[in-house]
Amino acid sequence: DIVMIQTPLSSPVTLGQPASISCRSSQSLVHSDGNTYLSWLQQRPGQPPRLLIYKISNRFSGVPDRFSGSGAGTDFTLKISRVEVEDVGVYYCMQTTQSPWTFGQGTKVEIK
Amino acid sequence: EVQLVESGGGLVQPGGSLRLSCAASGFTFSPYWMLWVRQVPGEGLIWVSRINDDGSSTWYADSVKGRFTISRDNAKNTLYLQMNSLRADDTAVYYCVRDSGEGVDYWGQGTLVIVSS
Repeated sequence: DIVMIQTPLSSPVTLGQPASISCRSSQSLVHSDGNTYLSWLQQRPGQPPRLLIYKISNRFSGVPDRFSGSGAGTDFTLKISRVEVEDVGVYYCMQTTQSPWTFGQGTKVEIK
Repeated sequence: EVQLVESGGGLVQPGGSLRLSCAASGFTFSPYWMLWVRQVPGEGLIWVSRINDDGSSTWYADSVKGRFTISRDNAKNTLYLQMNSLRADDTAVYYCVRDSGEGVDYWGQGTLVIVSS
């Protein structure tokens, strides 16, 4: 199974300041079709997860442009350019390149 | 508006069975692969099972293989998860999730399954 490791596990951030979350996979996430199926999910307190970013860097419908994704191969990053109150929650990376699909442990973003 | 509404969760004794349902609306259900993901409250996300568009292919996490069965009824726009031989470590919120082919793009609100005597 592909192991997904996120760092940090907790990220206290000042409102209006940037935040960055790293996700590393135990093997390349490049699919045989040439795509890299790495997604980022946000889970606000008491809510189900929602898709933010798919295929490394594509923002899902309705996601603010302060969220951006980057990376390649085994190393990926989610950045929030200016953290807002509504961004508080847990963020997960997820790979759907190889079965079984796996998630990172989650990174908790909170306001300082 | 895409909606996925799970039902069927509840309290069950170890060794018992439950069938979860997920009613899909707001989109054409049949072309989409679907999956179940679970989450122990306060913990991370775990993929459980996946089914292709016509139900002919299924995949399972090792932890549920042989005990859980995923299925779908495209005429009823409904996804199912039959859970047998339930154990305490199956206790979790179970989410119904749509797979766009590029990412898991819509999630239901979840249904809580508690396995306890």
